[in-house]
Amino acid sequence: KAGVTQTPRYLIKTRGQQVTLSCSPISGHRSVSWYQQTPGQGLQFLFEYFSETQRNKGNFPGRFSGRQFSNSRSEMNVSTLELGDSALYLCASSSRTENYGYTFGSGTRLTVV
Amino acid sequence: QQQVKQSPQSLIVQKGGISIINCAYENTAFDYFPWYQQFPGKGPALLIAIRPDVSEKKEGRFTISFNKSAKQFSLHIMDSQPGDSATYFCAATSLGRGSTLGRLYFGRGTQLTVWP
Repeated sequence: KAGVTQTPRYLIKTRGQQVTLSCSPISGHRSVSWYQQTPGQGLQFLFEYFSETQRNKGNFPGRFSGRQFSNSRSEMNVSTLELGDSALYLCASSSRTENYGYTFGSGTRLTVV
Repeated sequence: QQQVKQSPQSLIVQKGGISIINCAYENTAFDYFPWYQQFPGKGPALLIAIRPDVSEKKEGRFTISFNKSAKQFSLHIMDSQPGDSATYFCAATSLGRGSTLGRLYFGRGTQLTVWP
């Protein structure tokens, strides 16, 4: 089956702008998690959604938000971009019934200039 | 604080050698310990995972050793190949409810280089 699809793959934005990233999970997966990956901080958890409800949230400012749609697709939004938001943003999906493993997408590389 | 500590940060191994990466955790509620492999430009890919009811799990050349009392687990790559050169991440979570729901706690990663 198709993997986790993230769009766009690359994005360049200017400080102060906002950005929306998209994630389509594996068919049948209802849980979607988002992570920020940087060389300095590694993989940091942003939030997790299950059936359109945010169940868990990491320690990020309110500029980072997300949502999940009824078809399990998810979006994350970052407002008022800062240079430090430059990172690889990864989405992962999992199946509650399988209850193991999180499959990651290839990520969206965001560069803030 | 870092919930999962991983070492070494980088590792260089000769082809055919054994690569060993170690991780330690603090939260005794963790009950699922996956390892991920990441190549440049790609997302992490699940390699192998273990639950605390077993002390070892082997899949091909990859073995996880788990020591529940020491709260440590390690990845062994036997007969290491140049194609294994990648960044490896250990992770931990609780598959039940609670603050870990839907969340993996990752180590900082180990950059493995296998020389031919």
